[in-house]
Amino acid sequence: SSELTQDPAVSVALGQTVRITCQGDSLRSYYASWYQQKPGQAPVLVIYGKNNRPSGIPDRFSGSSSGNTASLTITGAQAEDEADYYCNSRDSSGNQVVFGGGTKLTVL
Amino acid sequence: QVQLQESGPGLVKPSQTLSLTCTVSGGSISSGSYYWSWIRQPAGKGLEWIGRIYTSGSTNYNPSLKSRVTISVDTSKNQFSLKLSSVTAADTAVYYCAQVGANDAFDIWGQGTMVTVSS
Repeated sequence: SSELTQDPAVSVALGQTVRITCQGDSLRSYYASWYQQKPGQAPVLVIYGKNNRPSGIPDRFSGSSSGNTASLTITGAQAEDEADYYCNSRDSSGNQVVFGGGTKLTVL
Repeated sequence: QVQLQESGPGLVKPSQTLSLTCTVSGGSISSGSYYWSWIRQPAGKGLEWIGRIYTSGSTNYNPSLKSRVTISVDTSKNQFSLKLSSVTAADTAVYYCAQVGANDAFDIWGQGTMVTVSS
């Protein structure tokens, strides 16, 4: 079982804002990173650290954190944002890496 | 820019050892800014971290796989490798290698390689 918990599925209307969350005790001490994965493709890093976007990631993607919960927000969701989203961080010991179970985002 | 490419057998028999190599191109695996990791994903399921290696040779493994996993690095070839012993059908998955940078962000991934465990 993962030490990071994500909702299995979330949906959003085209152009609206959606928040995908990741919960875990280790998030009180460590930042989460977020990955987008489309079918048949490798994951792509979209947010890391406090709220950093790698080059090429649209600015509609943003990250935040409060207590034991990290969030990925997509402001003005596009059809191409439909994908699985995974968070990751360290575990409670700080010595291992863990991934959340993933959230399937549907853009309606 | 840095690219990663996994290679190795796509079919492994039960009880044997799965061996994969990740070749790093466009940059040096010895860069002190990064470490290197393996991740796997069974069909239709989520990502599972397998382990990581620093270019110093220091490693950390997923506790659930630790007894069967070995990750090594060959800086002369700009490669790092995964060995998973005593495989079963449950080890069938797409295996990814990745570069890991600041804040443990997996910033560059290989395309993944499918490994099937079957007789």
